[in-house]
Amino acid sequence: AQSVTQPDIHITVSEGASLELRCNYSYGATPYLFWYVQSPGQGLQLLLKYFSGDTLVQGIKGFEAEFKRSQSSFNLRKPSVHWSDAAEYFCAVGAQNNDMRFGAGTRLTVKP
Amino acid sequence: GAVVSQHPSRVICKSGTSVKIECRSLDFQATTMFWYRQFPKQSLMLMATSNEGSKATYEQGVEKDKFLINHASLTLSTLTVTSAHPEDSSFYICSARDLVTGETQYFGPGTRLLVL
Repeated sequence: AQSVTQPDIHITVSEGASLELRCNYSYGATPYLFWYVQSPGQGLQLLLKYFSGDTLVQGIKGFEAEFKRSQSSFNLRKPSVHWSDAAEYFCAVGAQNNDMRFGAGTRLTVKP
Repeated sequence: GAVVSQHPSRVICKSGTSVKIECRSLDFQATTMFWYRQFPKQSLMLMATSNEGSKATYEQGVEKDKFLINHASLTLSTLTVTSAHPEDSSFYICSARDLVTGETQYFGPGTRLLVL
């Protein structure tokens, strides 16, 4: 069965600093990988996804993620964080026509 | 992009009553919709998978008689919480998978349920 681990429950970074959120997955086949962002009291917005091809995926809001099969990882990065990026970030793994499993989430706080 | 709506956005009800939550895909067709539950400061937990024209598939531990799901069309799925109790208070989020592409789930804005 697929599973997702986000090792960091809470991360604080200064505005303008770089960001990396970690995600490790367990899946028997080639996974579909996703990163979503959730603001308080809101639904989830898709940041980016990886299905196949180039392992470095570009998403919205300046985010990118890199799929590393050897490490079973799909870490999310952003070179310069903005105060509006403060939110909860969820990594998810799924497969075509199957349901998705979510990580526990990482809460991002941005210091001025 | 694909838009999914939920109605209502928040609801307060008395214990013992039933509450219906609607999930609609606004600009695409969805053969499959998913219902999640999210407790404060926790991740999303899949409750059930709803397929258009057939019975929903429930995750282990989710009571199908308590959480009734109907997926009558390619753009609408409903979740009815029957005989709601305070422990059912939660944030319920639906998602819909595009019929054409099939890989990506698009999420609704969620429904906050408070049972008094």
